[in-house]
Amino acid sequence: GAGVSQSPSNKVTEKGKDVELRCDPISGHTALYWYRQSLGQGLEFLIYFQGNSAPDKSGLPSDRFSAERTGGSVSTLTIQRTQQEDSAVYLCASSLRRGNGYTFGSGTRLTVV
Amino acid sequence: KQEVTQIPAALSVPEGENLVLNCSFTDSAIYNLQWFRQDPGKGLTSLLLIQSSQREQTSGRLNASLDKSSGRSTLYIAASQPGDSATYLCAVQNSGNTPLVFGKGTRLSVIA
Repeated sequence: GAGVSQSPSNKVTEKGKDVELRCDPISGHTALYWYRQSLGQGLEFLIYFQGNSAPDKSGLPSDRFSAERTGGSVSTLTIQRTQQEDSAVYLCASSLRRGNGYTFGSGTRLTVV
Repeated sequence: KQEVTQIPAALSVPEGENLVLNCSFTDSAIYNLQWFRQDPGKGLTSLLLIQSSQREQTSGRLNASLDKSSGRSTLYIAASQPGDSATYLCAVQNSGNTPLVFGKGTRLSVIA
């Protein structure tokens, strides 16, 4: 597609439920990143996929968070047993290759009640 | 560990003024630096990308400079307009395979 697409744009869930957030990167982009932006905070790196390499999961805040990227394209970020502190905007970005700039999606606003 | 700082945190200027936003980073061995704009409730829009070998990039009324040795970048906005009101984020990448490290942004308000 023309840009990075994220769905849903908004998600309200009850504490303890699992949620899945989806990211469709720009076609042909080999690098994909997930970030989290909490109210009043900067962007926090979560996970990075590069081609067929093992993902860099160093930013995942707990084992309740996981992500996969199928076929080198679409990525899904899963949060299990959601907590109120998980409420944030989850942003996905992709990049064509090393050294190129990032293109961000519009994000998914997650609210845990 | 790379840390990125943006000063000021917020800035309010009258329409038509030229202004400078500052970004500093602790590890000068960067691969590139990127400036983004974020409107309230929206994602990030890339403004300018400066590779480590470059000293500046220009796009319209925007000019970004990079001084790697001192760990600084500035974003210059000429003849500011109310539509420029947004949060401006600076981010650096230490290598081609590492994630961007972001500052907390400067929230700009341009008053008509």
